[in-house]
Amino acid sequence: AQSVTQLGSHVSVSEGALVLLRCNYSSSVPPYLFWYVQYPNQGLQLLLKYTSAATLVKGINGFEAEFKKSETSFHLTKPSAHMSDAAEYFCAVTTGGGLNDKIIFGKGTRLHILP
Amino acid sequence: KAGVTQTPRYLIKTRGQQVTLSCSPISGHRSVSWYQQTPGQGLQFLFEYFSETQRNKGNFPGRFSGRQFSNSRSEMNVSTLELGDSALYLCASRGPNTGELFFGEGSRLTVL
Repeated sequence: AQSVTQLGSHVSVSEGALVLLRCNYSSSVPPYLFWYVQYPNQGLQLLLKYTSAATLVKGINGFEAEFKKSETSFHLTKPSAHMSDAAEYFCAVTTGGGLNDKIIFGKGTRLHILP
Repeated sequence: KAGVTQTPRYLIKTRGQQVTLSCSPISGHRSVSWYQQTPGQGLQFLFEYFSETQRNKGNFPGRFSGRQFSNSRSEMNVSTLELGDSALYLCASRGPNTGELFFGEGSRLTVL
C-alpha cells in the first residue's frame, strides 16, 4: 500500500539558512507526489506537485522538490528561509496510478524559523 | 473564483450527540474529499465523493458518513460523538485529472 513518511515532526532553521524537509514514499505504482503548506487556522495550500514530467519541480514561494526514484524520496528545499515560511508542511501521494485517486498525507513537519 | 467554503467554522458538542458539517466546493469541481486532522494522527482520509457517489473511503467507523448533492455540495455526519472525534475536519475539492486538492479552512469540532 502507498504511504508517506516525513522525517522530523519539527525542524528549526535560522532565517536565511537552507530549508530541507524530508519525505519518503512507498508506492507500488509510479506515484504522483505533492507538498502542501498549512498556516495557523487555515486549510492546506499546494506548494508544488510531481506528475512525472520533470524530476525537479519548482513551486510557489521559492520552494522546490526533487523526485528521486532510486531513493523513493521527494524532499522539499528552499535556499533561504524567511520568517513567513514558519508553518506546517505536508507531503502527500496518490494511492493509485491516476490523478483522480485518493491522496494520503504524511504526518507533517512543523517548520520554525529562528531570527 | 470563490474557494472552498466550510460551515460551521467552530462548534462544540457533547458526547453522544451528532453533528453535520457542510462543504461547498469550487464552482465546477465535482470531487469533494473529507479529512480529519488531529495533532496525534495528522491528516486522515475519511471519504471522497464524485458526482454524488462515494468514490473512495478511509478506515473510519460507520458513525462517520457523508453525502454529496447534485450541485456538488457535500455534507459529512458524525453520530454518537466520542471525545476522540474532537478534530479539525477539512474538506477539499479538485478538478478532473489535476490531482490538486483545494482545501477549505476547516470546521473545528470540540466534543465535551
